[in-house]
Amino acid sequence: AQSVTQLDSQVPVFEEAPVELRCNYSSSVSVYLFWYVQYPNQGLQLLLKYLSGSTLVKGINGFEAEFNKSQTSFHLRKPSVHISDTAEYFCAVSDPYNQGVKLIFGQGTELSVKP
Amino acid sequence: ETGVTQTPRHLVMGMTNKKSLKCEQHLGHNAMYWYKQSAKKPLELMFVYSLEERVENNSVPSRFSPECPNSSHLFLHLHTLQPEDSALYLCASSQEPEREQFFGPGTRLTVL
Repeated sequence: AQSVTQLDSQVPVFEEAPVELRCNYSSSVSVYLFWYVQYPNQGLQLLLKYLSGSTLVKGINGFEAEFNKSQTSFHLRKPSVHISDTAEYFCAVSDPYNQGVKLIFGQGTELSVKP
Repeated sequence: ETGVTQTPRHLVMGMTNKKSLKCEQHLGHNAMYWYKQSAKKPLELMFVYSLEERVENNSVPSRFSPECPNSSHLFLHLHTLQPEDSALYLCASSQEPEREQFFGPGTRLTVL
């Protein structure tokens, strides 16, 4: 069965610094990959997704992620973070060829941006 | 209204009460989901409905009872809950089960 590991539960970073949030998934023939952001007391919002094509995916709020099939990773990056990026970030994976499968979520990474 | 809406946003109930959470999606999607999100715990998938049929029930206690009367509406009926059921309950929808899900803002439930 698919699984997702977010390697860091908390990432503190200073404002305007770059950040990388790591995500690894268990191997599969092909996968769809997603990153979501959750601000306090809100639902999850889709940041970006990889379905096929270019391995570098650009999303909202200046975030991007790179699909690396050989390393089974989909790390999220932003070159310069803002205070407003403070939130919980979730990586998710699905297997489009596995009937009935839905999204499998990682445990989340709490990004804390300090002034 | 656009996207996925949930009502109420906050709910406080006693252990003997009966209440219902409502979710509505305005996206024309075919699948809907209930998740439980407790503090410091991963998202827990509770129920999945695809084309109004329940396709998954992840060992959820019977005090939680879902209902999907049509493809746009999803309910979660609650009765005789326990304090450990206090959590944020999130509804989501998607076009197909393997595609991206769109989430509502959640209902913050407190059981006294």
